[in-house]
Amino acid sequence: QLQLQESGPGLVKPSETLSLSCIVSGDSISNRRYYWGWVRQPPGKGLEWIGSFFSSGKTYYNPSVKSRVTIFVDTSKSQFSLSLSSVTAADTAVYYCARGTGFGDYFYYYLDVWGKGTPVTVSS
Amino acid sequence: QSVLTQPPSVSGTPGQRVIISCSGSSSNIGSNTVSWYQQFPGTAPKLLIHNNDQRAGVPDRFSGSKSGTSASLAISGLQSEDEAEYYCAAWDDSLNGPHVIFGGGTKLTVL
Repeated sequence: QLQLQESGPGLVKPSETLSLSCIVSGDSISNRRYYWGWVRQPPGKGLEWIGSFFSSGKTYYNPSVKSRVTIFVDTSKSQFSLSLSSVTAADTAVYYCARGTGFGDYFYYYLDVWGKGTPVTVSS
Repeated sequence: QSVLTQPPSVSGTPGQRVIISCSGSSSNIGSNTVSWYQQFPGTAPKLLIHNNDQRAGVPDRFSGSKSGTSASLAISGLQSEDEAEYYCAAWDDSLNGPHVIFGGGTKLTVL
């Protein structure tokens, strides 16, 4: 049974870089059937997809954060990470890591396993 | 603002059938598959439907469909425990690069 667990600071100062990690257990992070992604949810609002890292090495990012975001995988630690630079109060949200599953082209992939989420507040 | 449009809220009584709509465009729903997620307050979303109409191990009371640039989630035999927020999602093939978009969410109230 795959499990995902987010970790990282709950408070980040404006203009700094938000760094979160997600530990993968119960399955191989190198499995080429999957992608590893991040989704966030501002307080009282809906879901916003941040980006994905496919096992092929291909990444896709939400245009709204593309210039500030990097998602990368560390197979030796069985974890993947999110780096979001130059944060503002608008980046305050619960951040979820998730696994994408599918076959073939990227548009057949969907998010089937989610972490419990970790709240991040951007404030001085 | 979400590119996928959902009604903010729907309601029904126990045993009824409700439908949640999700309207998109040719760059997302019109050309890619749709998935649906259920979220209870304070918890992570849960996958209900993928590839438009494939249930993800959930009761067959939940069903999904897609036609053109719109999709819908139907819940039959409504139960009190179905009261939650529901989101649709699809890949969008925009000029800025492919990415996943979510609908704004629909709050289902069981009266």
